[in-house]
Amino acid sequence: QVHLQQWGAGLVRPSETLSLTCSVNGGSFIGYYWTWIRQSPRGGLELVGEISHTGSTRYSPSLKSRVTISIDRSQNQFSLKLSSVTAADTGLYYCARGYCSGTNCYRSDWFDSWGQGTLVNVSS
Amino acid sequence: DIVMTQFPDSLAVSLGERATINCKSSQSVLYTSNYKNYLAWYQQKPGQPPKLIITWASTRESGVPERFSGSGSRTDFTLSISSLQAEDVAVYYCQQYYNDPVTFGGGTKVEIK
Repeated sequence: QVHLQQWGAGLVRPSETLSLTCSVNGGSFIGYYWTWIRQSPRGGLELVGEISHTGSTRYSPSLKSRVTISIDRSQNQFSLKLSSVTAADTGLYYCARGYCSGTNCYRSDWFDSWGQGTLVNVSS
Repeated sequence: DIVMTQFPDSLAVSLGERATINCKSSQSVLYTSNYKNYLAWYQQKPGQPPKLIITWASTRESGVPERFSGSGSRTDFTLSISSLQAEDVAVYYCQQYYNDPVTFGGGTKVEIK
């Protein structure tokens, strides 16, 4: 049973960089997409981006210029950096495991395991 | 992007009664080559992350109670809870994985009347 444990700063000042890390325990790192999803204060869910176990990344078009997702296979961890944050980036950030159901996969279909979430507040 | 619209925003149902949640996509999520609808449902209880409960519009994940059922095709989908239990109080989200990027509905909050 895979378990995702995430951590990072809960308060980030405007224009600075949000940084979060997620550790994957109890399951294979291979064959999945390691994903960051955020939830706005109103509840809406948005895919921020994801990385495959090989290091291939895909980012939300609206965030692409500010997002970097990286992977540390030796530690079974992956990380999110979101630069130049504004109040609009405030929300609950989740790491999740994405699963692709097909044979020629390039992205997740659905998300079957989630971290506990980190509440990030962008404020001075 | 495919826009997913859920309705109602919230509903209150008596214990033991049926709860019905609707999800509409801005374009069909039915892949005609395999006749599968690329739609998932999640349950998010207060203070918890979302939990995947249904894929392919109607396939329950392992361990999900049989009172949860998904139906629909193309652009119109329904999640039903046949006999609402207290532990079903949650926000429910639909998500399409037909097109890139995957997108979620706005959520429907289910409460006890």
